[in-house]
Amino acid sequence: DAKTTQPNSMESNEEEPVHLPCNHSTISGTDYIHWYRQLPSQGPEYVIHGLTSNVNNRMASLAIAEDRKSSTLILHRATLRDAAVYYCILSSGSARQLTFGSGTQLTVLP
Amino acid sequence: AAGVIQSPRHLIKEKRETATLKCYPIPRHDTVYWYQQGPGQDPQFLISFYEKMQSDKGSIPDRFSAQQFSDYHSELNMSSLELGDSALYFCASSLGSLSYEQYFGPGTRLTVT
Repeated sequence: DAKTTQPNSMESNEEEPVHLPCNHSTISGTDYIHWYRQLPSQGPEYVIHGLTSNVNNRMASLAIAEDRKSSTLILHRATLRDAAVYYCILSSGSARQLTFGSGTQLTVLP
Repeated sequence: AAGVIQSPRHLIKEKRETATLKCYPIPRHDTVYWYQQGPGQDPQFLISFYEKMQSDKGSIPDRFSAQQFSDYHSELNMSSLELGDSALYFCASSLGSLSYEQYFGPGTRLTVT
């Protein structure tokens, strides 16, 4: 299975944009890129997913490199409620189960 | 909007006992996933069901079994509990087996003493 690499932790100031990187150099052509986040004491929460093109939704934007070997989750304006562990996950074929890696612990400073 | 419901939220059992965790998916969702998250660890996929049939299997111990019922709720049965089974157990549901959006419940915290 293709692996993802994320920084262990990142800090951001409240109301500023946050760019969370993810490297997936061994990604295959059929792998989708998913982002989930887990707030303290809660279950994971779907954020966004994409295949090749950049994606936007009400929560975030997903920027995918042209070679697809990396992607960036963009939170346009961080709030204190965005403090969470953010997971970048790949899935391929018909498999829909999520394989969580270590994720990035995002701290948002007031 | 209705969310995934898990019961019980907390459960304390002794070693070698059995436990049953229940998951009620979002209405109309026909796919259920179970994940285990040990202390300080990331969630790990256990098993999933689509339309009452097992669809995928992950790192689920043989002591555990699960099923999905006709109303789409699912139960995770755990026998011969061990201390290492202490964890948060999350259930997630999705609409269709090909959906990439999984909606997670609040989890059941199982403590084995």
